[in-house]
Amino acid sequence: DAEITQSPRHKITETGRQVTLACHQTWNHNNMFWYRQDLGHGLRLIHYSYGVQDTNKGEVSDGYSVSRSNTEDLPLTLESAASSQTSVYFCASSESKGPAGETQYFGPGTRLLVL
Amino acid sequence: DQQVKQNSPSLSVQEGRISILNCDYTNSMFDYFLWYKKYPAEGPTFLISISSIKDKNEDGRFTVFLNKSAKHLSLHIVPSQPGDSAVYFCAASYSNYQLIWGAGTKLIIKP
Repeated sequence: DAEITQSPRHKITETGRQVTLACHQTWNHNNMFWYRQDLGHGLRLIHYSYGVQDTNKGEVSDGYSVSRSNTEDLPLTLESAASSQTSVYFCASSESKGPAGETQYFGPGTRLLVL
Repeated sequence: DQQVKQNSPSLSVQEGRISILNCDYTNSMFDYFLWYKKYPAEGPTFLISISSIKDKNEDGRFTVFLNKSAKHLSLHIVPSQPGDSAVYFCAASYSNYQLIWGAGTKLIIKP
């Protein structure tokens, strides 16, 4: 069965360190997204990609970067982790077939704690 | 400025009764609306959606109503079951595939 996975599921790091969160999907979807979820804010878009070599900034992109070298993977990098980046991170993917294709499929999430 | 608002952080409903979750939006350009359900320690899963050209969509126990003039949508669950206890997110999209999310409503179904 097709799926979307994230690793690690839990991560503790220190302020200033570089951290990379992995996302891998086997849906063969063109669109991939990274969100963060914080209490009272729902899900906020960090970065997204509509295909290989395409990346775009979302609502809360400062301090994060992504790269898309193949269809399956969209790793999220925190260049220099800050305590404000403590959050739960979700990766999602979707097909690009017009409005009805906006249904996004989510990974299980990565819980990141920055000390 | 939140474009999608879920004003009730939590809702408690008796098993077997109707659960009504509400969502308001401010941007009239939204053309598609979705509800997602989220259990603890899992990612959100798609529940039901509605296009802006419709005012109602049903799928089993779940019905979504859209009132464009009021910029309001609601999710009805009838009858409510214990497994429906979860956080429900409302989301809206433009035609560029991005979703704008509400803050979520935690639904608790009491036995």
